[in-house]
Amino acid sequence: NAGVTQTPKFRVLKTGQSMTLLCAQDMNHEYMYWYRQDPGMGLRLIHYSVGEGTTAKGEVPDGYNVSRLKKQNFLLGLESAAPSQTSVYFCASSYTGWDYEQYFGPGTRLTVT
Amino acid sequence: AQSVTQLGSHVSVSEGALVLLRCNYSSSVPPYLFWYVQYPNQGLQLLLKYTSAATLVKGINGFEAEFKKSETSFHLTKPSAHMSDAAEYFCAVSDAYTGGFKTIFGAGTRLFVKA
Repeated sequence: NAGVTQTPKFRVLKTGQSMTLLCAQDMNHEYMYWYRQDPGMGLRLIHYSVGEGTTAKGEVPDGYNVSRLKKQNFLLGLESAAPSQTSVYFCASSYTGWDYEQYFGPGTRLTVT
Repeated sequence: AQSVTQLGSHVSVSEGALVLLRCNYSSSVPPYLFWYVQYPNQGLQLLLKYTSAATLVKGINGFEAEFKKSETSFHLTKPSAHMSDAAEYFCAVSDAYTGGFKTIFGAGTRLFVKA
């Protein structure tokens, strides 16, 4: 099993450009999450999904959109990148929700200039 | 409101010394509690999880944590630090509420191990 994979690993964008981050999991997990990690702030939840075709806002959703068309994939989009979105982005998945541990991908380091 | 506080953004110990990483939480209902570890340039991995079955929880790599309801704490310990324990550690609290659930991560504690 590959677990949770993320594409790409690194990306540099100019302000105003758009991009999509791809997350894939092969554990048949229902729940998937997107976090951003910034120094001294831990992980903050951007959006999450409790099943195929569903999405919900997390703690810091502004400037991001997500889609979960297939159970194994969870896409994070930035329509118009801003320097404040420079961060490390992690995708995670879990069997169900709050009482199960989350499995994390290796992260995507995004720099917006 | 749910929250997690990790005391100390950086902790430094000598190899062979006791490791103690502190975590305090607040939750309106009995929570599930987790400790995760993050090695450089990697994602988070589960160390251990508290699910109310036992107050002392044993995890991987010799780590353990004790749930103390009266102190709302879930501190992580290891009797003897190893160089390979150098990493960042995150405490997380998860609980359910009407209409959903929420998992909150602490800000993290970076552990340094000196030879």
